Amino acid sequence: DQQVKQNSPSLSVQEGRISILNCDYTNSMFDYFLWYKKYPAEGPTFLISISSIKDKNEDGRFTVFLNKSAKHLSLHIVPSQPGDSAVYFCAASGAHGSGNTGKLIFGQGTTLQVKP
Amino acid sequence: KAGVTQTPRYLIKTRGQQVTLSCSPISGHRSVSWYQQTPGQGLQFLFEYFSETQRNKGNFPGRFSGRQFSNSRSEMNVSTLELGDSALYLCASGGRAASSYNEQFFGPGTRLTVL
Repeated sequence: DQQVKQNSPSLSVQEGRISILNCDYTNSMFDYFLWYKKYPAEGPTFLISISSIKDKNEDGRFTVFLNKSAKHLSLHIVPSQPGDSAVYFCAASGAHGSGNTGKLIFGQGTTLQVKP
Repeated sequence: KAGVTQTPRYLIKTRGQQVTLSCSPISGHRSVSWYQQTPGQGLQFLFEYFSETQRNKGNFPGRFSGRQFSNSRSEMNVSTLELGDSALYLCASGGRAASSYNEQFFGPGTRLTVL
């Protein structure tokens, strides 16, 4: 049973436009969500995170939105750049104080291609 | 500030052998987690250590084990290797506090090939 799902395996956008990557989760105990970017044969690079007490977090070109009632989060990249081309993973972890903050459950990833 | 380091970066073993992978976390971080990435299963959590104690464990057989030392460095061991153990093994470090939210920062991984 996949608790974190990224239903779009790939996404292609034009440079300068917005990229929207989506992620759904099923476990209501998840309390903290993260986005990572990954190149082949490298470790994931942390991008941005959000806790369940917020519905939006912004860092430069990256914004994450969380809709708890829908168990859905999305990552917006504006404007998209060719260097953003990579695999993006969303991940979820357990509730604050549960001792599960060190266990990340990952989605399957979405490959983003930004065309010049 | 130095990032997470993993050694070795590449490893080739044969079925039935055992292997030990090493991870040095970011200075000051107390949590080390291990993940396995394969094309078919994606990124899967193996286990997490915090202050030398295993705090969480994923759904992997007992052939997969780990430990953490007093300097927070961690090792994972896989015994009786199987072909399906071929994967990228990633180590992540995070957190100075036991119960705070912790972003995890990943090392470059160890690519294990089992022949």
